[in-house]
Amino acid sequence: DVKVTQSSRYLVKRTGEKVFLECVQDMDHENMFWYRQDPGLGLRLIYFSYDVKMKEKGDIPEGYSVSREKKERFSLILESASTNQTSMYLCASSSPGPIGDTQYFGPGTRLTVL
Amino acid sequence: AQSVAQPEDQVNVAEGNPLTVKCTYSVSGNPYLFWYVQYPNRGLQFLLKYITGDNLVKGSYGFEAEFNKSQTSFHLKKPSALVSDSALYFCAVREATSGTYKYIFGTGTRLKVLA
Repeated sequence: DVKVTQSSRYLVKRTGEKVFLECVQDMDHENMFWYRQDPGLGLRLIYFSYDVKMKEKGDIPEGYSVSREKKERFSLILESASTNQTSMYLCASSSPGPIGDTQYFGPGTRLTVL
Repeated sequence: AQSVAQPEDQVNVAEGNPLTVKCTYSVSGNPYLFWYVQYPNRGLQFLLKYITGDNLVKGSYGFEAEFNKSQTSFHLKKPSALVSDSALYFCAVREATSGTYKYIFGTGTRLKVLA
């Protein structure tokens, strides 16, 4: 079974803090994604990566950055956390191919910024 | 531009009755379509996908979905609902030859199955 793990299930931070969210997948997938999930808005893509050291902006990258130094690990960084970044953060991975690139999700990190 | 719509925020159905969760999409070419389910305090789990071929796709937990190109729809169905099917359901789409692996997700539909 594909396993995607996220470093924390729940996280509470203060405004202005630098926050690191870590994601690790064990299936040698090329693609990794960071989403945030908010009620009524569904999933919105923050950043994604096709390969090590490669990244592309998603739909809402402002206030976030990412790092992918190893294939299995994709980190989301909030440079200076703000209250409007309180949300559920979901990491996913997938492998490209002709049969469609199913995304496999981690359990999520619920971040609260006070 | 790609888009996906789930017109119902919530669907209520009695246990044992058939259920339908609606999804419509817009892409410029052929679509890849997915359904995912999210149980409370969990990540999303893959249910089924349409890539090509038979318009009726069968997936996990007895769910199926029908791809309708003329109506640009991919509704999720199950013949007999269970209380344990209560969850949040997401439809996702991308254009097959878009050159990107970026998917667009719907806003989600909460399914409540009443005992």
